[in-house]
Amino acid sequence: EVQLLESGGGLIQPGGSLRLSCAASGFSLSADHMSWVRQAPGKGLEWISIIYSGGGTQYADSVKGRFTISKDNSKSMLFLQMNSLRAEDTAVYYCARGILTYFFDDWGQGTSVTVSS
Amino acid sequence: DIQMTQSPSSVSASVGDRVTITCRASQGLKTWLAWYQQKPGKGPKLLIYATSNLQKGVPSRFSGSGYGTDFTLTISSLQPEDSATYYCQQAIDFPRTFGQGTTVEIK
Repeated sequence: EVQLLESGGGLIQPGGSLRLSCAASGFSLSADHMSWVRQAPGKGLEWISIIYSGGGTQYADSVKGRFTISKDNSKSMLFLQMNSLRAEDTAVYYCARGILTYFFDDWGQGTSVTVSS
Repeated sequence: DIQMTQSPSSVSASVGDRVTITCRASQGLKTWLAWYQQKPGKGPKLLIYATSNLQKGVPSRFSGSGYGTDFTLTISSLQPEDSATYYCQQAIDFPRTFGQGTTVEIK
């Protein structure tokens, strides 16, 4: 059974940094593609980054240059390093697995990030 | 970026009713569209991929159709457990984008 468990969220001041983690089980990170998708309070879903099975990455313009996606295949861990955080980054952050690059087959339960002074 | 527009924003229907949600894309998607269901406090769940393919384990009362810019999600006989918010997502280009969501409420 595929399981995704996010952690690392919390309250952080504007301009600060945070590192989110996603523990994956039931599949291999080296075989599938992983994304981060966020959801601001009361809002819809926003895709922010993907890391391909081979390690290539892409980002949404809203986070490009500030966020970095990475993974440790041997530990089945996905990460999102978030720097220069802004109030508009406040959201629940989900990790999501895609067997192909097109759709998001499995999702975690999310971790909440609040950027506020 | 490709804009995805869903309608209606919310719908209230009775158990057993047929419910239809539409999604319109600002550019042609061919069949690169998915539908997700999200319940409060949970991550989304993939229902349909590539316009009309039912994800494993999803009840057959859910179906999808469309091509290009206009797509439809249909719940043939609404059940109490279908109360949720539904999102469409385009998969033809990056950034992947989602519709704003349609909330389905049971009367």
